[in-house]
Amino acid sequence: QKEVEQDPGPLSVPEGAIVSLNCTYSNSAFQYFMWYRQYSRKGPELLMYTYSSGNKEDGRFTAQVDKSSKYISLFIRDSQPSDSATYLCATSYSSASKIIFGSGTRLSIRP
Amino acid sequence: GAVVSQHPSRVICKSGTSVKIECRSLDFQATTMFWYRQFPKKSLMLMATSNEGSKATYEQGVEKDKFLINHASLTLSTLTVTSAHPEDSSFYICSADAGAERTDTQYFGPGTRLTVL
Repeated sequence: QKEVEQDPGPLSVPEGAIVSLNCTYSNSAFQYFMWYRQYSRKGPELLMYTYSSGNKEDGRFTAQVDKSSKYISLFIRDSQPSDSATYLCATSYSSASKIIFGSGTRLSIRP
Repeated sequence: GAVVSQHPSRVICKSGTSVKIECRSLDFQATTMFWYRQFPKKSLMLMATSNEGSKATYEQGVEKDKFLINHASLTLSTLTVTSAHPEDSSFYICSADAGAERTDTQYFGPGTRLTVL
């Protein structure tokens, strides 16, 4: 079993739609949960990070962590074509430990 | 946010040559840097963890004699791909742990695309 499972997509939605991206993880010891956005041929860009359980909101983006079910979510409201990218969920034990990535979900927002 | 740079951004080399990739934290000090490799349409796979002033810790299956890592200062780590072969062609990405200086996570460089002919 992979440590972090993520549906690779691709996922295509119309502009303005709410996007829901999800991951599951296997190790309950993970404490940090991140979402990265990666455009083609670029390095990952940190979008959101959460320590332990709970919600975090930043503009159109909301990250949720449910440690009881080992479930990580990212919601994008009012999606824009510029949001089209690969979204990677990730987790780690601490800020200085290695990051374990999901496989990434390719998202396409149709104008 | 914290800035991490990589140089070069792209390199093409002949089989058998060695290639050095630099990773720099520009506005913070990083005691720990990480090197990842990403194949097309695949996720990032950690290759090694680099600590300033000590030997790197390699992930299982990564040849330490082929992928030489040096972390000589708090702002610079280098990855040298020795005797490169076509199967080493990939996107190499570094990250740096900003620790207490910044938000509690790692920041990634823009990546280096290596093509071995």
